[in-house]
Amino acid sequence: EIVMTQSPGTLSVSPGERATLSCRASQSVRSNLAWYQQKPGQAPRLLIYGASTRATGIPARFSGSGSGTEFTLTISSLQSEDFAVYYCQQYNNWPPSFTFGPGTKVDIK
Amino acid sequence: EVQLVESGGVVVQPGGSLRLSCAASGFIFDDYTMHWVRRAPGKGLEWVSLISWDGGSTYYADSVKGRFTISRDNSKSSLYLQMNSLRTEDTALYYCAKDLTEGGAYSPPDSWGQGTLVTVSS
Repeated sequence: EIVMTQSPGTLSVSPGERATLSCRASQSVRSNLAWYQQKPGQAPRLLIYGASTRATGIPARFSGSGSGTEFTLTISSLQSEDFAVYYCQQYNNWPPSFTFGPGTKVDIK
Repeated sequence: EVQLVESGGVVVQPGGSLRLSCAASGFIFDDYTMHWVRRAPGKGLEWVSLISWDGGSTYYADSVKGRFTISRDNSKSSLYLQMNSLRTEDTALYYCAKDLTEGGAYSPPDSWGQGTLVTVSS
């Protein structure tokens, strides 16, 4: 079973600043890594898939990088609407499973 | 516009059963793999199950294997989750979600419903 970890648990950032979130897999997932954003009372929103491809309608300030076991989500200049919880998810192994990380909460500094 | 509307969430006793439904619209339902994902109170997201476009392949998280059954009715553009032998740890908001990729690939969900709440309590 692939275990996903995320760091930090909480990230305090001022609007306009850059945020860097990390995700690690217990074994290689190649580039089969997605990032989601979830706000209170809302459904998750797919941001990134394939480790670095932005989903439809996602602003360019969101970018993903990495492969294998180490991944990063970068928000280049935080907007007020970006304060939320961010989850990474692997979808590499067979038989299919879609393991989520525990999440990183991005809050206002 | 993709719309996914879940229903069926209620309060049920441990050991009980429940069937969740998801009505889909705004896309060609039988072209896509579909997923169920849940979020327990105060916890993170947990993938539960997926079903292929034709219903021929199903997969489950270890935590629900043998107790939950995913199914679909393409003629009704509907997805289902039959939940048996429910435990208190199954208490969660259950989301229906559409796969990103048309066809047979299994990829991350890109469209989600608002969820239906299942509470397992005596």
